[in-house]
Amino acid sequence: EVQLVESGGGLVQPGGSLRLSCAASGFTFSSYWMSWVRQAPGKGLDWVANIKPDGSEKSYVDSVKGRFTISRDNAENSLYLQMNSLRAEDTAVYYCARHPARSVDYWGQGTLVTVSS
Amino acid sequence: VVMTQSPLSLPVTLGQPASISCRSSQSLVHSDGNTYLNWFQQRPGQSPRRLIYKVSNRDSGVPDRFSGSGSGTDFTLQISRVEAEDVGVYYCMQGTQWPWTFGQGTKVEIK
Repeated sequence: EVQLVESGGGLVQPGGSLRLSCAASGFTFSSYWMSWVRQAPGKGLDWVANIKPDGSEKSYVDSVKGRFTISRDNAENSLYLQMNSLRAEDTAVYYCARHPARSVDYWGQGTLVTVSS
Repeated sequence: VVMTQSPLSLPVTLGQPASISCRSSQSLVHSDGNTYLNWFQQRPGQSPRRLIYKVSNRDSGVPDRFSGSGSGTDFTLQISRVEAEDVGVYYCMQGTQWPWTFGQGTKVEIK
């Protein structure tokens, strides 16, 4: 059974940093593109970043470029999102997602990040 | 690519059909010939769940009352007979051009 379990969310002050983790199991992690997708409270879904199976390619949406870094450890079956210079508008539930063929077939349960003073 | 869904709110009677439209600001036909249009369901308090990929392919375990259709820039998700468990927000999503984008969501509720 495919499982994606996020952790690392919490309350952080504006300008602060946070590192999210996603533990993957039930599939060959090193074979899949992976993504982070976020959802602000009561709002819709927005892509954040994605990463190639071997980690050699990464893409980000403009709003997080230069502040967020996606990475992965295939030996540990883990996906990460390092978030720096956090802003109030980054407040959201962050989902780890597996995506084959330009889609998403599995989502984690999400971890809430709240940026507030 | 901007994805525009309509309606944003859809009250439906149990057992009746429902239809959600999704339009993209440019063609979703990829250079490889595929059209990467997906539909997701998000029930209250849950993570999203994929229902349909590449316009009309239903995921395993998805009831056959859900169907997807369309081409180019115009797409539709249809529910043939709405059941109580179908309540939630439905999103279309394009994977043709990065950054991939979602529609605003359509909230389906029971009248």
